[in-house]
Amino acid sequence: GNSVTQMEGPVTLSEEAFLTINCTYTATGYPSLFWYVQYPGEGLQLLLKATKADDKGSNKGFEATYRKETTSFHLEKGSVQVSDSAVYFCALLPGYQKVTFGTGTKLQVIP
Amino acid sequence: SAVISQKPSRDICQRGTSLTIQCQVDSQVTMMFWYRQQPGQSLTLIATANQGSEATYESGFVIDKFPISRPNLTFSTLTVSNMSPEDSSIYLCSVEGGIITDTQYFGPGTRLTVL
Repeated sequence: GNSVTQMEGPVTLSEEAFLTINCTYTATGYPSLFWYVQYPGEGLQLLLKATKADDKGSNKGFEATYRKETTSFHLEKGSVQVSDSAVYFCALLPGYQKVTFGTGTKLQVIP
Repeated sequence: SAVISQKPSRDICQRGTSLTIQCQVDSQVTMMFWYRQQPGQSLTLIATANQGSEATYESGFVIDKFPISRPNLTFSTLTVSNMSPEDSSIYLCSVEGGIITDTQYFGPGTRLTVL
């Protein structure tokens, strides 16, 4: 079956630090990969996505590259802000099926 | 992307009562899903809401507890029946299909507290 493994949190960083949240996956076929973000008290927002190998998704300074050879989709940002504090979920979607989520990684950015 | 709304945004309910959550999307979609997010946890799929037929439930979820309707391609409801404190969660709908391809978009969620 499909599965997503992401690094456990919480991750605490100082403002302007570099962020990496690791995500690896197991899936049959060629799923699309996503990062969703959940700000405190809110629902899930799509942060970025990639639909095929070597695609790079990017949004709001965040990036992630679909690496089929390492089955990974690590999230990176060069300089985090306090407003980036949230829970980040890595996910895969085989297409017209349920999304498989990772457990979520809580990020706290301190001034 | 799609604009998805959910009502209510939050509610506090008494044990033994039922609550119906609505999900409305601004365009016709093929698939609608209902998820539960328990406090501090990831999301768990409850069921797929099928237009014109019964919902498809995941293991551990049953129709008597979580009846779902989907009367058309833009609307669905989830009822949480005979609630207990263990049902306190965020309930989210998501959509895919129609003009939305290769992505599921999520509604803002309904935060339910059962006393």
